[in-house]
Amino acid sequence: QVQLVQSGAEVKKPGASVKVSCKASGYTFTSYYMHWVRQAPGQGLEWMGIINPSGGSTSYAQKFQGRVTMTRDTSTSTVYMELSSLRSEDTAVYYCASNFDYWGQGTLVTVSS
Amino acid sequence: QSALTQPASVSGSPGQSITISCTGTSSDVGGYNYVSWYQQHPGKAPKLMIYEVSNRPSGVPDRFSGSKSGNTASLTISGLQAEDEADYYCSSYTSSSTWVFGGGTKLTVL
Repeated sequence: QVQLVQSGAEVKKPGASVKVSCKASGYTFTSYYMHWVRQAPGQGLEWMGIINPSGGSTSYAQKFQGRVTMTRDTSTSTVYMELSSLRSEDTAVYYCASNFDYWGQGTLVTVSS
Repeated sequence: QSALTQPASVSGSPGQSITISCTGTSSDVGGYNYVSWYQQHPGKAPKLMIYEVSNRPSGVPDRFSGSKSGNTASLTISGLQAEDEADYYCSSYTSSSTWVFGGGTKLTVL
């Protein structure tokens, strides 16, 4: 069955970077685009960007341009989302989602001094 | 890219039908048939309920249906059940080759 397993919770200080991983299994990794979506506490879903696991091309939401980098490792069927210059407003649960069909369990990133 | 507009909350009694709207522009909802709907229970990841305006993934009850008219998409849930109580989000592809979500709607089953 399709599974997206994300890395564990992180606590970071303002100004730092965080890198969240998402390991896919149960399907052909390069066949479906992977989205990253975040959800701040008590708030709605926010689309961050998308990566094509096949060629590695990316598209980011304007809000995150310059701060987010999405990469993939086809040898391990894993995609990564790195967010830099963290601020308190980046405290959220970060999800990967394959074609929006299947979602990871979420990774809580807390930014606090 | 502004978020799509959804009502903050809707409610209905068991067995009734409800409709949640999702309003965008001609650059997103109105321009593409790539509107999806998601259900999210507290503390859980979202679940895809409708894709490409009106298609249901395998396993989603046929009580859930989607439609679109102009710049507004709609999710209808018929025969409301207690387990339908959740937050619902819409999303759409946009002319900027990005995606955008709605603000979310809290469904209460009375």
